[in-house]
Amino acid sequence: ETGVTQTPRHLVMGMTNKKSLKCEQHLGHNAMYWYKQSAKKPLELMFVYNFKEQTENNSVPSRFSPECPNSSHLFLHLHTLQPEDSALYLCASSLSGSEYEQYFGPGTRLTVT
Amino acid sequence: KQEVTQIPAALSVPEGENLVLNCSFTDSAIYNLQWFRQDPGKGLTSLLLIQSSQREQTSGRLNASLDKSSGRSTLYIAASQPGDSATYLCAVYNAGNMLTFGGGTRLMVKP
Repeated sequence: ETGVTQTPRHLVMGMTNKKSLKCEQHLGHNAMYWYKQSAKKPLELMFVYNFKEQTENNSVPSRFSPECPNSSHLFLHLHTLQPEDSALYLCASSLSGSEYEQYFGPGTRLTVT
Repeated sequence: KQEVTQIPAALSVPEGENLVLNCSFTDSAIYNLQWFRQDPGKGLTSLLLIQSSQREQTSGRLNASLDKSSGRSTLYIAASQPGDSATYLCAVYNAGNMLTFGGGTRLMVKP
């Protein structure tokens, strides 16, 4: 529907596991984003990539490691997470520039046990 | 740092009512403002995007207004229906590709 896909849609992982979230956009955009939505907290920006370069890290703990190998793909590598990291993780893309609309993927629901 | 506030946090109305959701932001130097809908456990559905040079946007029963100088936006929903029940999110576009979200208004429309 939006041209932004995310896999997996649901993920359950233990605190000692390592997993990765994947985002792919088919819109010809060159900026990509990770957002986190925890229960009872506003959606918050985690990372911004412009032309594969990270331009914003919103004080995110190092147990979240993003990777942007090209303008169409964005990953979020997860390791030694805490139960409070359980949340909906949303990916978005746009043309590079603050005036351009961001298009969101359906999200990955992450549960850390 | 931009802060976005949405009032009320929750709203319950009977079917057929017209209603207004409010959004305020602290820094008026925004590029765009966007309203989203989110159903429980789901992602975001874009409703309306207002560019900073615009005053309002309309789509069907929805009308969003923007007063950039006062840091306010409203989302007007006409003739509400039970299918409108969802959480409505307001978000502002800031410099650096930064999108800041409000906490949302949880709307329940009763048949």
